[in-house]
Amino acid sequence: AQKVTQAQTEISVVEKEDVTLDCVYETRDTTYYLFWYKQPPSGELVFLIRRNSFDEQNEISGRYSWNFQKSTSSFNFTITASQVVDSAVYFCALSANRGATNKLIFGTGTLLAVQP
Amino acid sequence: DAGITQSPRYKITETGRQVTLMCHQTWSHSYMFWYRQDLGHGLRLIYYSAAADITDKGEVPDGYVVSRSKTENFPLTLESATRSQTSVYFCASRDRVRGGFGHGTEAFFGQGTRLTVV
Repeated sequence: AQKVTQAQTEISVVEKEDVTLDCVYETRDTTYYLFWYKQPPSGELVFLIRRNSFDEQNEISGRYSWNFQKSTSSFNFTITASQVVDSAVYFCALSANRGATNKLIFGTGTLLAVQP
Repeated sequence: DAGITQSPRYKITETGRQVTLMCHQTWSHSYMFWYRQDLGHGLRLIYYSAAADITDKGEVPDGYVVSRSKTENFPLTLESATRSQTSVYFCASRDRVRGGFGHGTEAFFGQGTRLTVV
């Protein structure tokens, strides 16, 4: 079975602090993709990043970075020098090659509150 | 306008009534999905579709019906609404990778429909 666990329900930080959002996944497939989505208070879901199971290189995009470790089945997301605009719910998601269905399975999300 | 749109954005209905949530995408994406978002549960998959006339159940399909007669439309029907179906519903679509199944493409989401069953 495929599963995504985001154990942190809510995180509160003060602006300029670094924060890491954890994501642990389960799948028996050897080929899969991991995603992060952001849901700001306005409610829309915004795609942030995609990573495939064969690429364990860390990725950095501005203040955002992602650490993918197959050994621990984790795909963690770090925001450096957080800002109030980073306040949102962040979802980690998994998509594995299960025939032609390609379901995208989400974790329960982490609510990040960045205080000024 | 290109994209994926849901209608209505807000809906209040009474217990026992049938209600249909609409989803329309203009990209001709093969895959379409319906999720519901509830506090503490994140996004849970209700139904999905790999192509026109091909649909299958997700994690929480009970009480819902879908159809997909055209690639661009994927309506979700609550046959007899219950209070437990009060939720925010998201429709999504994703493309099929040429020569593959598309599990690496990102999903694009509609704006969501906030449904309240009273």
